[in-house]
Amino acid sequence: QKEVEQDPGPLSVPEGAIVSLNCTYSNSAFQYFMWYRQYSRKGPELLMYTYSSGNKEDGRFTAQVDKSSKYISLFIRDSQPSDSATYLCATYSGGYQKVTFGIGTKLQVIP
Amino acid sequence: GAVVSQHPSRVICKSGTSVKIECRSLDFQATTMFWYRQFPKQSLMLMATSNEGSKATYEQGVEKDKFLINHASLTLSTLTVTSAHPEDSSFYICSARDSGPLNTGELFFGEGSRLTVL
Repeated sequence: QKEVEQDPGPLSVPEGAIVSLNCTYSNSAFQYFMWYRQYSRKGPELLMYTYSSGNKEDGRFTAQVDKSSKYISLFIRDSQPSDSATYLCATYSGGYQKVTFGIGTKLQVIP
Repeated sequence: GAVVSQHPSRVICKSGTSVKIECRSLDFQATTMFWYRQFPKQSLMLMATSNEGSKATYEQGVEKDKFLINHASLTLSTLTVTSAHPEDSSFYICSARDSGPLNTGELFFGEGSRLTVL
């Protein structure tokens, strides 16, 4: 079993839709959770960074962590074609411990 | 926000030559940097952890003599692919954590370097 599971998609939605991206993880020691956006042939760009359970909102993006179920989500409201990219979830336990990544979900927002 | 600069973004070389990729943290100190490799439709694979002033820590299966890492300062780490072969062709990405006084622990990535070995 992988430490972080993520559906690779692709996920296609119409412009303006609410997008829900999800990951599950198995290691209860993970405390920090990130979402990255990666455009084709580019390095990942940090979107959201959260600690422990709870919600964090930044503009059209909301990150949600439920440690009891080991489930992390990213919601994108009013999705735009420019949101079309691969979204990677990532997590680690703290300090300089290794970051574990999901495989990434490819999202396409259709105009 | 914090920026990590990676250079070159794209390099093509002949088989048997060596290629150096630089990774710089532009506005923060990074005692630790990470080098990843990414294959098409796959996630990031950690190759090694670069530690300023000491030897890098390599992940299992990564040849340290093949992928030389140097982290000579708090803002610069280099990855040298020695005697490159076509199977080394890949997308290499570095990342760094802010280790300064206002350390947030966030991990920032460079833009990546696409290596093609002919």
